[in-house]
Amino acid sequence: ILNVEQSPQSLHVQEGDSTNFTCSFPSSNFYALHWYRWETAKSPEALFVMTLNGDEKKKGRISATLNTKEGYSYLYIKGSQPEDSATYLCAFISGSNDYKLSFGAGTTVTVRA
Amino acid sequence: DGGITQSPKYLFRKEGQNVTLSCEQNLNHDAMYWYRQDPGQGLRLIYYSQIVNDFQKGDIAEGYSVSREKKESFPLTVTSAQKNPTAFYLCASSIQGRSSTGQFFGPGTRLTVL
Repeated sequence: ILNVEQSPQSLHVQEGDSTNFTCSFPSSNFYALHWYRWETAKSPEALFVMTLNGDEKKKGRISATLNTKEGYSYLYIKGSQPEDSATYLCAFISGSNDYKLSFGAGTTVTVRA
Repeated sequence: DGGITQSPKYLFRKEGQNVTLSCEQNLNHDAMYWYRQDPGQGLRLIYYSQIVNDFQKGDIAEGYSVSREKKESFPLTVTSAQKNPTAFYLCASSIQGRSSTGQFFGPGTRLTVL
């Protein structure tokens, strides 16, 4: 089982503030990194699939960066809104088996109005 | 609408009984997966299937079994050999392993063994 860590475990953000959090993964044998958003009572939903070192992806107010050489990815939320409240999961895929995702435990974001 | 369905949403069983969790997808995806979630932990892969009539063990396959007789269906059986079966179970699918769109998840089944 590959070690994928997310920090912090949870955070509270005031509406309108921006925030970011980290996913750390093995820096060797990298193939891809996924980010998912998991809202309460819903299914996890893919946000980003990142494959290249230096990748930056954006979806609305949410963006992500990728550093495969040092083994980390940041997810940013700009101008947080209550609808951004969710658990954000990252998942690492190694080149050894592209069917197996190794998930972090997630960062739970709560946006306070 | 295309998607993944899991049933039931909540399931209660007595200790020692086998139980089967249903997962159906109409996305025409080749690959399907079963994950387990426990509090404070990431999703852990139980089994996955790349194509019909083929499946592979994930990281925590002991005490579980699966079948993949049809492309759209990937049921998971939690057997009495699973020492701690109470958990939240998620089914997922993807076009193929090296997917550029990520995995699509069902709503999950919460299994409680009494």
